[in-house]
Amino acid sequence: SQQGEEDPQALSIQEGENATMNCSYKTSINNLQWYRQNSGRGLVHLILIRSNEREKHSGRLRVTLDTSKKSSSLLITASRAADTASYFCLDSNYQLIWGAGTKLIIKP
Amino acid sequence: NAGVTQTPKFQVLKTGQSMTLQCAQDMNHEYMSWYRQDPGMGLRLIHYSVGAGITDQGEVPNGYNVSRSTTEDFPLRLLSAAPSQTSVYFCASSPQGLDEQFFGPGTRLTVL
Repeated sequence: SQQGEEDPQALSIQEGENATMNCSYKTSINNLQWYRQNSGRGLVHLILIRSNEREKHSGRLRVTLDTSKKSSSLLITASRAADTASYFCLDSNYQLIWGAGTKLIIKP
Repeated sequence: NAGVTQTPKFQVLKTGQSMTLQCAQDMNHEYMSWYRQDPGMGLRLIHYSVGAGITDQGEVPNGYNVSRSTTEDFPLRLLSAAPSQTSVYFCASSPQGLDEQFFGPGTRLTVL
């Protein structure tokens, strides 16, 4: 069963626009991580936010965490063609449960 | 560092055949795991290991065996391949289970 669920399932935007995707989870977490996957390749870690943090930045990425709503959001600012990928959240508690991902397409 | 390596990259099997997918990491990570990813889906955990000599089952362990005799290697064995095992298999490692996961490039397996 998949505990983390990303929303939307697919997102298509113009290059230069901001992209926001959300992740919801069901139980308490130690941390929540976001990963990117390009075209069926291995996943690449983007950012980790701990349960006692509310917001974290890394370059063009901004992640928020709302433990009361059991949700997280990933914002990619000033999107580029290279951001076209699938994005997954991973909520790590006792076991690692992955969501099904958001497929992001950046149109030139 | 090579990171996490997986071999082979592609494999075609016939139903009933057995094979071993290889995974190795050179980062001295304690935690290693195997996932499968089916089209349009997220990862599902098959087996994982928290250190040499210790393995445990994940979400979908049936039809697969693992062993961890060294910190570096974590092979995944398919005992008797079935078409339902057609998938892309990823190996990952991390310093500890809840930390950043480092992924290999994957093995694309087709079972006919």
